[in-house]
Amino acid sequence: QSVLTQPPSASGTPGQRVTISCSGSSSNIGGDHVYWYQQFPGTAPKLLIYKTNQRPSGVPDRFSGSKSGTSASLAISGLRSEDEADYYCAAWDDKLTGWVFGGGTELTVL
Amino acid sequence: QVQLQLSGPGLLKPSQTLSLTCAISGDSVSSNSAAWNWIRQSPSRGLEWLGRTYYRSKWSSGYAVSLKGRITVNADTSKNQFSLQLTSVTPQDTAIYYCARQWQGFIDYWGQGIPVTVSS
Repeated sequence: QSVLTQPPSASGTPGQRVTISCSGSSSNIGGDHVYWYQQFPGTAPKLLIYKTNQRPSGVPDRFSGSKSGTSASLAISGLRSEDEADYYCAAWDDKLTGWVFGGGTELTVL
Repeated sequence: QVQLQLSGPGLLKPSQTLSLTCAISGDSVSSNSAAWNWIRQSPSRGLEWLGRTYYRSKWSSGYAVSLKGRITVNADTSKNQFSLQLTSVTPQDTAIYYCARQWQGFIDYWGQGIPVTVSS
């Protein structure tokens, strides 16, 4: 059972906007930044969003992050077939003194 | 560009010790801005942080509570690499193991991952 809670799946059609949620607690999301990773089958996770809403260079501005209280969201606008992947949220947990992750959301582009 | 190259055995028997090494290029294991993490991924447990080591005037390490007593993460400055040792493995330790860099507070680069199976 992952410390952060994500929906197991999400879907959308090309061009649509999709949102993936991530729920935590005051010891992780509520007290610190949230990070999002994108993972394709057979590859390592890749940083998608850092410090809640910042994009590394090379990540399209179709991807955006936000946070409110102990929950966070990843939004993908203008959905494309190449966005089909697993998405994970992460945060540092002050109580556990370690990184915690969500269970992952499998995004399907219909 | 930071690159992390994992090496180690892919198959162990129960009760053995898992030893993995992560060789760093493009950064220094002794960097005052970085920490060096181990993370694993399995269908049953998802992504699970295992531990990390970092240098801030002296070496420090931190470990997941669930693994304390079984895990050691060390740095080898002469080879610019860091390692994971996990003792008394069981089939529940079967997973893909990743090494990853934490830079200015967040994990940015991941190694390619190495599948490890524990089976008699």
